[in-house]
Amino acid sequence: AQSVSQHNHHVILSEAASLELGCNYSYGGTVNLFWYVQYPGQHLQLLLKYFSGDPLVKGIKGFEAEFIKSKFSFNLRKPSVQWSDTAEYFCAVNPHDGNQFYFGTGTSLTVIP
Amino acid sequence: ETGVTQSPTHLIKTRGQQVTLRCSSQSGHNTVSWYQQALGQGPQFIFQYYREEENGRGNFPPRFSGLQFPNYSSELNVNALELDDSALYLCASSWGNRGRNTGELFFGEGSRLTVL
Repeated sequence: AQSVSQHNHHVILSEAASLELGCNYSYGGTVNLFWYVQYPGQHLQLLLKYFSGDPLVKGIKGFEAEFIKSKFSFNLRKPSVQWSDTAEYFCAVNPHDGNQFYFGTGTSLTVIP
Repeated sequence: ETGVTQSPTHLIKTRGQQVTLRCSSQSGHNTVSWYQQALGQGPQFIFQYYREEENGRGNFPPRFSGLQFPNYSSELNVNALELDDSALYLCASSWGNRGRNTGELFFGEGSRLTVL
């Protein structure tokens, strides 16, 4: 069965620190990749997505992610976090041969002012 | 705002009861998916509806059922509720081509179900 692993369950950073959240998936075929964010009290919303082409994708609010096919990874990065980035972050994988999105268990990020 | 609305936002039921959750999809979307998010977990796929037909199902028992209406809104029904059904139920709409998702999911805020 397909699975998505997010290595960091809880991350605490100070403002202006750099962020990298890991995401690995187990699926040998072609996939679409996503990072979703859930701010406190809000719905899940898309940060960025990768379908094909340049493996380095840029999303909203200064976030970016790199798809490394050989490592089955899609890590999320931000050079300098802000207090407003405090949220839950979910990596998701959608195999091309199905409609299901597989989500990781999420990473809770707390940014201290 | 995604334009995906869900109701009710919170509800409490007892074991054995039945529940119906509702979802209005974003304008222009023809596909609705339902996900269950237990506390501390990521969303788990229940099923997807495309043009009023089930178009993919996750590892959930038959007591989880759904409907999609001609206006693309949807319902999730759960019969014979169990304690483990307590979770946030998320509806997501998207645009599908011949039943295949062509982009990202747009989520509603969810319906939080507590089963006592």
